[in-house]
Amino acid sequence: EPEVTQTPSHQVTQMGQEVILRCVPISNHLYFYWYRQILGQKVEFLVSFYNNEISEKSEIFDDQFSVERPDGSNFTLKIRSTKLEDSAMYFCASRASGLAGGETQYFGPGTRLLVL
Amino acid sequence: AQSVTQLDSQVPVFEEAPVELRCNYSSSVSVYLFWYVQYPNQGLQLLLKYLSGSTLVKGINGFEAEFNKSQTSFHLRKPSVHISDTAEYFCAVSDRGSQGNLIFGKGTKLSVKP
Repeated sequence: EPEVTQTPSHQVTQMGQEVILRCVPISNHLYFYWYRQILGQKVEFLVSFYNNEISEKSEIFDDQFSVERPDGSNFTLKIRSTKLEDSAMYFCASRASGLAGGETQYFGPGTRLLVL
Repeated sequence: AQSVTQLDSQVPVFEEAPVELRCNYSSSVSVYLFWYVQYPNQGLQLLLKYLSGSTLVKGINGFEAEFNKSQTSFHLRKPSVHISDTAEYFCAVSDRGSQGNLIFGKGTKLSVKP
């Protein structure tokens, strides 16, 4: 069964460093998402991406964040200058086209980011 | 804007007992409703979803949920749980007019004891 994959599974970085989190969505999916979950808190929407551009983003997704689909398979989240509060589990998700908000999103296993 | 409340952060139950995990939502627009499950060290997996039609929705692993519009609730139930149901369960909503961005509750950790 097709699945969303994410690398790395864990990342430790120093405050101020840039990190790139990678995701490989399901191959025929067209909509891509990033979410994050700070330890002990709820899963929060960051950004959605369709047709090579951001379609929606949350207040969390400020200028320090960017997303890219550099080729036909990868979908990346870059944090330019990490802060302590960026420590969280980051989930990538994808869905096929269709019933917009009702279409099932498939989630990857997450990348746990720790900023020291 | 939408919000989701899961009142119970932890629910311990014994094996073969019934369980209900509560979810209430708030929204000024029509929404779709979802339950996701997260097993240890895994991603989120869809259990079931309500789009329209019958308010009782059946999902995987014997779970079901009932949409109650007047009470803005979407509680998850299972008549008899197994040890393997131990996981964290997330309720989520999506604005029908959006790109599908999910708004999640804080999650409920279900712990099934033998």
